[in-house]
Amino acid sequence: GENVEQHPSTLSVQEGDSAVIKCTYSDSASNYFPWYKQELGKRPQLIIDIRSNVGEKKDQRIAVTLNKTAKHFSLHITETQPEDSAVYFCAGGGMDTGRRALTFGSGTRLQVQP
Amino acid sequence: GAGVSQSPRYKVAKRGQDVALRCDPISGHVSLFWYQQALGQGPEFLTYFQNEAQLDKSGLPSDRFFAERPEGSVSTLKIQRTQQEDSAVYLCASSLGLAGTGGGQETQYFGPGTRLLVL
Repeated sequence: GENVEQHPSTLSVQEGDSAVIKCTYSDSASNYFPWYKQELGKRPQLIIDIRSNVGEKKDQRIAVTLNKTAKHFSLHITETQPEDSAVYFCAGGGMDTGRRALTFGSGTRLQVQP
Repeated sequence: GAGVSQSPRYKVAKRGQDVALRCDPISGHVSLFWYQQALGQGPEFLTYFQNEAQLDKSGLPSDRFFAERPEGSVSTLKIQRTQQEDSAVYLCASSLGLAGTGGGQETQYFGPGTRLLVL
């Protein structure tokens, strides 16, 4: 089955700096890669996703890149703000894998220092 | 519109008790997923429904775990004879279409979770 690894596990940046979180996956059949933000005690919320036929996607300060050959994808947050502080999870999945559920990474705790 | 809701939000059970966790997906969503999230970890898949059909239950950790979605909307996750290792947050997610169909239909929307503590 799919295995998703995520690093770093914790990341501390100064407000205004950029933050990068990286994930690798094992199943070459995976074709859908969402990123979720989870604040303490809250539900995971989708912030951006990318499908395997696209190499990069951007939404304001957030961007995701995908290298399907190397089986890795990354989340980039620019001009970080204190409200970006949360745990971020990457995930992989897709119908082609024969399993419709998402496989999540172990999370990155991002702390943005004011 | 209303998002995914779950109840109860918190549940404390004595070891050996049975518990039932409820999920109300977004109206009209075909796909429904249950995940288990241990403290400090990412969600882990338990089971998947397409309408009322349970198509994948490969993530259920033991036969003490049972899920149903009899009318293709509300789902219940039941845990029998709870054990301390069952303590976790149980998350439900729903998506409009079938996973893999693309076009945004596979976006999974999560509920707030039920935090289960087994003493």
